[in-house]
Amino acid sequence: SQQGEEDPQALSIQEGENATMNCSYKTSINNLQWYRQNSGRGLVHLILIRSNEREKHSGRLRVTLDTSKKSSSLLITASRAADTASYFCATDATPNDYKLSFGAGTTVTVRA
Amino acid sequence: GAVVSQHPSWVICKSGTSVKIECRSLDFQATTMFWYRQFPKQSLMLMATSNEGSKATYEQGVEKDKFLINHASLTLSTLTVTSAHPEDSSFYICSTGDFRETQYFGPGTRLLVL
Repeated sequence: SQQGEEDPQALSIQEGENATMNCSYKTSINNLQWYRQNSGRGLVHLILIRSNEREKHSGRLRVTLDTSKKSSSLLITASRAADTASYFCATDATPNDYKLSFGAGTTVTVRA
Repeated sequence: GAVVSQHPSWVICKSGTSVKIECRSLDFQATTMFWYRQFPKQSLMLMATSNEGSKATYEQGVEKDKFLINHASLTLSTLTVTSAHPEDSSFYICSTGDFRETQYFGPGTRLLVL
């Protein structure tokens, strides 16, 4: 299965700063999703962007998708200590089987 | 969204024993569930697709005789790690949901095989 790559692997920022992370994938997709995982916990769905969309917002989150470059970015604005977590992108490439292929993840640490 | 629970949240067992992990969909009719495995500081890898009332389908490289999946009802799927070995120590996560929109993940089960 395809595996996305995320960049950077780790990110450390000060509270209040913005955090940006990128995800690249290999094949055509139906949609791309971003998830957050707190240490040792399950995943929480953040946002889904479809292949025909270019940008989506949800609260302090902004996601972009460039299908020509097979890449996506997640921006967290005005970060908080509670945003400290690992962030994964996941792609759904095959219609109707809904299998997700996850990127390697970006670990974000927000310093108070 | 759907609420998914897993039990146990963590388990320690001796090498050679079998361990059963339960995944419950508390408020969603889950005809399909997915099982993932995550090693420390790594991403999630899909192991198998669990289908209610039928056999699970396994991803390439996942031994179906070692990782037994049973999905007997719309609210419960179980993953049994048979004859567990230390290399099976991992974080196991299930998911379900309205897959056209998103998947909802359980909190995970941490398995340590001694």
